[in-house]
Amino acid sequence: SQTIHQWPATLVQPVGSPLSLECTVEGTSNPNLYWYRQAAGRGLQLLFYSVGIGQISSEVPQNLSASRPQDRQFILSSKKLLLSDSGFYLCAWSVGHYTGELFFGEGSRLTVL
Amino acid sequence: AQSVTQLGSHVSVSEGALVLLRCNYSSSVPPYLFWYVQYPNQGLQLLLKYTTGATLVKGINGFEAEFKKSETSFHLTKPSAHMSDAAEYFCAVSDISGYSTLTFGKGTMLLVSP
Repeated sequence: SQTIHQWPATLVQPVGSPLSLECTVEGTSNPNLYWYRQAAGRGLQLLFYSVGIGQISSEVPQNLSASRPQDRQFILSSKKLLLSDSGFYLCAWSVGHYTGELFFGEGSRLTVL
Repeated sequence: AQSVTQLGSHVSVSEGALVLLRCNYSSSVPPYLFWYVQYPNQGLQLLLKYTTGATLVKGINGFEAEFKKSETSFHLTKPSAHMSDAAEYFCAVSDISGYSTLTFGKGTMLLVSP
């Protein structure tokens, strides 16, 4: 069966510090991978998605970047965090051919102080 | 472009009462529609989805939703609420373009009182 792992689960970082959130998927090949951010009362915002190694699409301009160094690994990064980067970050995957269903990780809660 | 509107950021029901969470969508092509549930500090879990075929869709935990094209709606219902249903519910829309770039609504928090 397929599983998705996301870490760290919680993170408290000072403004201006770097960020790295990691996500890996097991049990499937060539998944579509996604990073979402969830802020209170604002629903889910798609940040990045990837349909293959090295292929990253950015949905919104921001202080964050994403990379996909391996088929089932997706990393969310920042060189210098802002207060506005605080939120709940969710990684998700879907099968390569369209099904419309996303499978989510457990999320990473980032607090920038 | 697609969009989703969930009416009501919070809905309160008593245990045993009917649950009705409203969702209206906008899509220029035939939509795929989804309801996800999120428990506190967890990821989202798929409740049910509509792609094609029967417009009444049954999901997990006794939930169901009906696709009404004329009303551009996909409301979520459950005949009898249980305390364990308390969570945040998200409606989402996608299309047949080829990739699962879902557009989510802002969510509705369901509160269940004894």
